[in-house]
Amino acid sequence: SQQGEEDPQALSIQEGENATMNCSYKTSINNLQWYRQNSGRGLVHLILIRSNEREKHSGRLRVTLDTSKKSSSLLITASRAADTASYFCATALFMETSGSRLTFGEGTQLTVNP
Amino acid sequence: DAGITQSPRHKVTETGTPVTLRCHQTENHRYMYWYRQDPGHGLRLIHYSYGVKDTDKGEVSDGYSVSRSKTEDFLLTLESATSSQTSVYFCAISESEILGQPQHFGDGTRLSIL
Repeated sequence: SQQGEEDPQALSIQEGENATMNCSYKTSINNLQWYRQNSGRGLVHLILIRSNEREKHSGRLRVTLDTSKKSSSLLITASRAADTASYFCATALFMETSGSRLTFGEGTQLTVNP
Repeated sequence: DAGITQSPRHKVTETGTPVTLRCHQTENHRYMYWYRQDPGHGLRLIHYSYGVKDTDKGEVSDGYSVSRSKTEDFLLTLESATSSQTSVYFCAISESEILGQPQHFGDGTRLSIL
């Protein structure tokens, strides 16, 4: 079963607005990662937040993590048409032999209208 | 972009035929992964490798086998393709045992089984 579940499944906003996507998960994790996928391409890593961190920033991205609620959010500020993509959260559990095993949610499709 | 090449990028084949997908990396990363991406399921791990000749099963491994004879190449084989294996297949790599290293993805192989 999928560990991460994103909400909403789809989000449509105007350029310049902020976009917030949420992710919930079920079991304990080592870290949570957010990825972006443009149509027809592979996933691109955006940001990683460790289980002992509560908030992290990277450019226009802000990620929060609440381990007590088993949830995370990704905020994209001042969105641009180029931000249109699918966004996935992935929970990571480190296995000694296999590195970081990631379990992905189904993604949020973000459309930013010019 | 991480040096990951998947081949072929598109393939159409018939039920019952064997199919092999190739992932080639130029990053000398130890860990390699095969995922499939389907609507409503997100990305699901098929098999992974934690070194040359060291592989293990993921959550959806039935009907698939893998081989890794060199650090740079990870092959995914569908022994006898079925229509349920129509999907987009992604290869990913990650660098080391460092906790929670992000994964880097290829651009996928779109496989259609008729």
